[in-house]
Amino acid sequence: QSALTQPASVSGSPGQSITISCAGTGSDIGGYDYVSWYQQHPGKAPKLLIYDVTNRPSGVSNRFSASKSGNTASLTISGLQAEDEADYYCSSYTVTTTRGVVFGGGTKLTVL
Amino acid sequence: QLQLQESGPGLVKPSETLSLTCTVSGGSISSGSYYWGWIRQPPGKGLEWIGSILYSGTTYYNPSLKSRVTISVDTSKIQFSLKLDSVTAADTAVYYCANGLFDSKRTWGQGTLVTVSS
Repeated sequence: QSALTQPASVSGSPGQSITISCAGTGSDIGGYDYVSWYQQHPGKAPKLLIYDVTNRPSGVSNRFSASKSGNTASLTISGLQAEDEADYYCSSYTVTTTRGVVFGGGTKLTVL
Repeated sequence: QLQLQESGPGLVKPSETLSLTCTVSGGSISSGSYYWGWIRQPPGKGLEWIGSILYSGTTYYNPSLKSRVTISVDTSKIQFSLKLDSVTAADTAVYYCANGLFDSKRTWGQGTLVTVSS
């Protein structure tokens, strides 16, 4: 299982929108509609933001949205707020020799 | 509200076995369609999926760790466990237990740092 590819860092100003990409292969992102996104603040456990490509768990702000095209998934955060500064990870269901989950390397979001 | 809490030694010697337990509260470990999993994060690095288990005992492991990992569930104790054999410094990480669908985990423990060192 090779890690999904995310940009190391992105930045934006309060109120702006940013998009984080997550590139995979046909064995993970491209093959299944099971992409998730997590937010992680320093010293904290990850928080699920998106599951099954586009779905938000209850309680997650609708400023977070996501999509998928081919082997690449994307997370968009609109109306950036200072509290959005965190690390973001994508993950995908994958099947190689068996069922599994693969994560991206993470993207550090800085709110300027 | 479902809560998870990891417990176990914070220091393990090289070549020994890392053993962690996740205690479940506020919910049933026998929820048929949900998976109990372990994910780790080396200091300053990204997340790595270790494996998952259904309450029935069916397990799924990361192929890169499969030869060293055992995940088990004890429904009577409302716990599930992780064992990782023959550890090295590369296994030093914060270990999280989590619950949810196979590919996405909604509930996470706070994490526990395990350092491999002599």
